[in-house]
Amino acid sequence: DIQMTQSPSSLSASVGDRVTISCRASQTISTSLNWYQHKPGKAPKLLIYVASNLQSGVPSRFSGSGSGTDFTLTISSLQPEDFATYYCQHSYRAFGGGTKVEIK
Amino acid sequence: QVQLVESGGDVVQPGRSLRLSCAASGFTFSAYGMHWVRQAPGKGLEWVALISYDANNKEYADSVQGRFTISRDNSQKMLYLQMSSLRTEDTALYFCARWNGDDSRGAVDMWGQGTMVTVSS
Repeated sequence: DIQMTQSPSSLSASVGDRVTISCRASQTISTSLNWYQHKPGKAPKLLIYVASNLQSGVPSRFSGSGSGTDFTLTISSLQPEDFATYYCQHSYRAFGGGTKVEIK
Repeated sequence: QVQLVESGGDVVQPGRSLRLSCAASGFTFSAYGMHWVRQAPGKGLEWVALISYDANNKEYADSVQGRFTISRDNSQKMLYLQMSSLRTEDTALYFCARWNGDDSRGAVDMWGQGTMVTVSS
């Protein structure tokens, strides 16, 4: 089975910071990689699909890149509403462990 | 309104059974594969099961294989998860999720709010 590893598991950042989250697959997965945002008590939200495609309605400060085994989610300028946990996902089976973005 | 609403979560003893339901509205339910995803307290997201749009294909995570059964009723726009032989490690918030696209190039583009299952003696 393909395993997805995210790093870091948590980070502290300030409003306006550029934030990058990494996701590594245990074997090559082409661009079969999605990113979700999850806030406590709310439904997760799709941000990026197929590695780099921005889901409709998601702010353009979110972007995704990568292919093969290494992927990155970038938030260009962190906003107060972006403090949440972010997950990568390969296909439907494999989620990464999550990256919690906290206020510095 | 386009939404998924889960129900059926409860506190149950180990070894007992429980059925979760998910009511879909606002979209053509019969056109989409559907999934259950769970989140144990303090843990990350874990995929549980999927059912194809026509119920011809079902898959399960190893952790629930043989104990959980996913089903759907397209005429009622309902998704179900029958859980049996429940274990304490099944304690989690269970999300109903819509899959958009094929297996390798799709994503969950709609989620419910979740229903809580607690397995405890």
